[in-house]
Amino acid sequence: DVKVTQSSRYLVKRTGEKVFLECVQDMDHENMFWYRQDPGLGLRLIYFSYDVKMKEKGDIPEGYSVSREKKERFSLILESASTNQTSMYLCASSLRQGRYLAKNIQYFGAGTRLSVL
Amino acid sequence: AQTVTQSQPEMSVQEAETVTLSCTYDTSENNYYLFWYKQPPSRQMILVIRQEAYKQQNATENRFSVNFQKAAKSFSLKISDSQLGDTAMYFCAFSDNNAGNMLTFGGGTRLMVKP
Repeated sequence: DVKVTQSSRYLVKRTGEKVFLECVQDMDHENMFWYRQDPGLGLRLIYFSYDVKMKEKGDIPEGYSVSREKKERFSLILESASTNQTSMYLCASSLRQGRYLAKNIQYFGAGTRLSVL
Repeated sequence: AQTVTQSQPEMSVQEAETVTLSCTYDTSENNYYLFWYKQPPSRQMILVIRQEAYKQQNATENRFSVNFQKAAKSFSLKISDSQLGDTAMYFCAFSDNNAGNMLTFGGGTRLMVKP
């Protein structure tokens, strides 16, 4: 089974702190994603990465950055946390497009609920 | 840009009955994929069912089936013989043939199965 592990289920941080959210997958997936989940808004893509050291902005990248130094690990960084970044953060991974049998299926971690006070 | 709309924020159904969750989407693409994901209260999102737009036949997975109406851009999920374990948030999602396999999600429907 594919396993996507997020390092923390719950985090409480203070405004202005630098926050790191870590995600690790064990299936050698090329693609990794960070989403933010808010009630009524569904999931919104923050950033994704299609290879080591490669990243692309999603729909809401402002206030966030990412790092992918190893294929299995994708980190989301809040440079200076603000209260409007209080949310649920979900990490996902998938095979690169072209591997037909698993095309487009994303596998998700359990999520990190971040509260910024 | 693609959009996905789920018009039912919350629904409930009695155990063993059937419920249908609605989803509409907007795209100018002809080839794409549609998904229903389930997020139980424990929060790990899992894939329920997937439909490829070029396939005429509606996808089914045990008690879960879809009604895919390509012309109407509609993709509803039917859950038959509802079980308490079906209680969850359900998200409809869209993906086209872009390089990153990105998904566009709807706002979600919270389904409560009542005993």
